[in-house]
Amino acid sequence: NAGVTQTPKFRILKIGQSMTLQCTQDMNHNYMYWYRQDPGMGLKLIYYSVGAGITDKGEVPNGYNVSRSTTEDFPLRLELAAPSQTSVYFCASSFTGQGHGYTFGSGTRLTVV
Amino acid sequence: TQLLEQSPQFLSIQEGENLTVYCNSSSVFSSLQWYRQEPGEGPVLLVTVVTGGEVKKLKRLTFQFGDARKDSSLHITAAQPGDTGLYLCAGATGANNLFFGTGTRLTVIP
Repeated sequence: NAGVTQTPKFRILKIGQSMTLQCTQDMNHNYMYWYRQDPGMGLKLIYYSVGAGITDKGEVPNGYNVSRSTTEDFPLRLELAAPSQTSVYFCASSFTGQGHGYTFGSGTRLTVV
Repeated sequence: TQLLEQSPQFLSIQEGENLTVYCNSSSVFSSLQWYRQEPGEGPVLLVTVVTGGEVKKLKRLTFQFGDARKDSSLHITAAQPGDTGLYLCAGATGANNLFFGTGTRLTVIP
């Protein structure tokens, strides 16, 4: 069982560059999420989606964009990367939403220099 | 923003000892989840508690949800090196969000 797959595992970006973090799940989950995890700060919600074609902002959406064209995929786009976006990014999915457990991917460690 | 405070932040104990980790908030949650995260991996769900006062057991781990649904605790009996990791609590509200605590980093020394 693949679960939630994130690519790449690691990436170094220069300030001002753009990139897309990929996330795909094979569990037919409707809900998908993007979190960032900074040291000592816990996980913060960036964007989420309750189904294909529907996305909404979380706590820290500035500097990011998402799309949800299929149930399986939920890519996160960083435009004009900044050092403040250095973090570990996690994608997660859930069948019924926040009242039930999330399945997380293994993360993407991004460094902006 | 709901704030979930976990204590202690760091905990280092010998194999075989017991420990309790706390998760506290001033907010009321509809449910609370506990996750364990190992280095280089994403969090893995351990348990979800829904009812105030609820107690759930998972082998040597005992989870309790506070009566007022504002706090929770995780008790580990006879800790083993395999219990080492970052323990995260996460509270769910009526909005579509799960608020995570900052975590307790547990190290169990053989």
